[in-house]
Amino acid sequence: AQSVAQPEDQVNVAEGNPLTVKCTYSVSGNPYLFWYVQYPNRGLQFLLKYITGDNLVKGSYGFEAEFNKSQTSFHLKKPSALVSDSALYFCARGDYKLSFGAGTTVTVRA
Amino acid sequence: NAGVTQTPKFQVLKTGQSMTLQCAQDMNHNSMYWYRQDPGMGLRLIYYSASEGTTDKGEVPNGYNVSRLNKREFSLRLESAAPSQTSVYFCASTRQGDLSEQYFGPGTRLTVT
Repeated sequence: AQSVAQPEDQVNVAEGNPLTVKCTYSVSGNPYLFWYVQYPNRGLQFLLKYITGDNLVKGSYGFEAEFNKSQTSFHLKKPSALVSDSALYFCARGDYKLSFGAGTTVTVRA
Repeated sequence: NAGVTQTPKFQVLKTGQSMTLQCAQDMNHNSMYWYRQDPGMGLRLIYYSASEGTTDKGEVPNGYNVSRLNKREFSLRLESAAPSQTSVYFCASTRQGDLSEQYFGPGTRLTVT
């Protein structure tokens, strides 16, 4: 089955430092990959997606992700984290049906 | 343009009671989805509707039924609630066929005692 894994339950960074949230995917099937963010008591919001083409994908709020076929990874990155980036981040995979990772809680301390 | 709306926001049920969660979207999307979110498990797909008039099971359909009432509305029904159905439920919608992003509602927090 097509799936994704988020190996870290939590990521803690200081404001202004780089932020990375990891995601790996299983090899079988097409790697249509997505990142979503969930702020407290809210629904999920789309950040970015990789379908095909450039391995570096730019998205909302200054986030980007790098698709790495050899490492089967799709890590989310932000060069300089803000306190307001503190949220729950989900990696997802699929076409019209998405399979979500378990989520990574990001805390950015001032 | 309200996007995806869900009612109610909160609900407490006793075991065995029934209820319907309502979802509506005003973006003229073809596809709609129901997910449940549980701690440490991400979101799991319960049912989806690829287009008006069609519905299909997702990963965790047992104990649920759905109705695609029209293009705008997609409801989720719990016929006989169980404590294992305590969860946060999200409705989502998307255009069909172009791998576009899903738009999510604000969620319904359901507790079954």
